Amino acid sequence: EIVLTQSPGTLSLSPGERATLSCRASQTVSRGYLAWYQQKPGQAPRLLIYGASSRATGIPDRFSGGGSGTDFTLTISRLEPEDFAVYYCQQYGKAPWTFGQGTKVEIK
Amino acid sequence: QVQLVQSGAEVKKPGSSVQVSCKASGGTFRTYAISWVRQAPGQGLEWMGGIIPIFDTTNYPQKFHGRVTISADESTDTAYLELSGLRSDDTAIYYCARGIVTIPAAYYFDSWGQGTLITVSS
Repeated sequence: EIVLTQSPGTLSLSPGERATLSCRASQTVSRGYLAWYQQKPGQAPRLLIYGASSRATGIPDRFSGGGSGTDFTLTISRLEPEDFAVYYCQQYGKAPWTFGQGTKVEIK
Repeated sequence: QVQLVQSGAEVKKPGSSVQVSCKASGGTFRTYAISWVRQAPGQGLEWMGGIIPIFDTTNYPQKFHGRVTISADESTDTAYLELSGLRSDDTAIYYCARGIVTIPAAYYFDSWGQGTLITVSS
């Protein structure tokens, strides 16, 4: 199965700063089938990005995804207070679908 | 806007089975995938398998083969997860999620249920 490794484990930033999260796959993610989710405490995950770079419905344009092959990134251009959460990547290019272990974005 | 509403929390004994339901409303059920994803306390997300009703197909990761059964009742837009042989490490929040099908049996998750806490304890 494809193992996804997210880095860093924790990102400490201030509101207004730029956040760059990484997701590295153990093998090529075919067709760029990679998604990103945001999860806040006590809530279900929420889809942010699919197909590596397409924003889901209602997601602000400060969220952007990029990358291909084995290296993918999620960028939050200017952190808003509601963006502090845990972020997961997920690949759906090859079964079984797998998730990364998550990156926590916390307030510095 | 689709809503996925799951059944309530349960406490189960080791070795027993549990069934969790997920009812979809406000959207077409049949042409999407419905998957189950679990999250152990303080841990990440783990995909347990899924069903695509329109293709009448299910797929499961090897880890859960033989212990997990996912089914769907199209007449009520309800999906079910059955997990057998429960162990203490099955204690987790179980989420159903609607999958957008891109190629047959490939999907990401655009809507999630509220989660169901299953506690396995003697």
